[in-house]
Amino acid sequence: SQTIHQWPATLVQPVGSPLSLECTVEGTSNPNLYWYRQAAGRGLQLLFYSVGIGQISSEVPQNLSASRPQDRQFILSSKKLLLSDSGFYLCAWSAPRGMNTEAFFGQGTRLTVV
Amino acid sequence: RKEVEQDPGPFNVPEGATVAFNCTYSNSASQSFFWYRQDCRKEPKLLMSVYSSGNEDGRFTAQLNRASQYISLLIRDSKLSDSATYLCVPSRFGNEKLTFGTGTRLTIIP
Repeated sequence: SQTIHQWPATLVQPVGSPLSLECTVEGTSNPNLYWYRQAAGRGLQLLFYSVGIGQISSEVPQNLSASRPQDRQFILSSKKLLLSDSGFYLCAWSAPRGMNTEAFFGQGTRLTVV
Repeated sequence: RKEVEQDPGPFNVPEGATVAFNCTYSNSASQSFFWYRQDCRKEPKLLMSVYSSGNEDGRFTAQLNRASQYISLLIRDSKLSDSATYLCVPSRFGNEKLTFGTGTRLTIIP
């Protein structure tokens, strides 16, 4: 069966520090991968999605970036965090290109920038 | 027009009542639709999939109206445990971008 791992669960970082969140998927090949952010009391904002290694689509211009160095690994990074980067970050995967299926989420990382 | 729109609520409903809320979508090419449930401070989890006119699972019924481009979620005999935020997302073949609605917050009152 497929599983998705996301870590850490909670993170407190000072303004200006770097960020690296990692997400890995097991039990499937060539998944679509997503990073979402959810501010407190708000909806899911799509940040990045990827359909394959090295293929990243950015939805929102900001100081975040994403990379997919391996088929089932998706990394969200920032060189310098802002206070506004605080939120609940969720990684998700769905079936490979064109299969038109639902997404499955990791347990999320709650980031507080102080 | 936003790709997906939902009434944010909150819907405050007495236990045992029936509640329904809608999700409108802008792209008529959307083929599949999914309802997710998100508990406070947790990740969203799939509740129901809708591939044709509708789907029913116990107390939950999802219906699709392609002419008016919306899907609805009906919850009968609501339970306290149904309190959550309900998110919808349309999907279409060959498009990998998944955009969620902002969610509808539901609170069941004892």
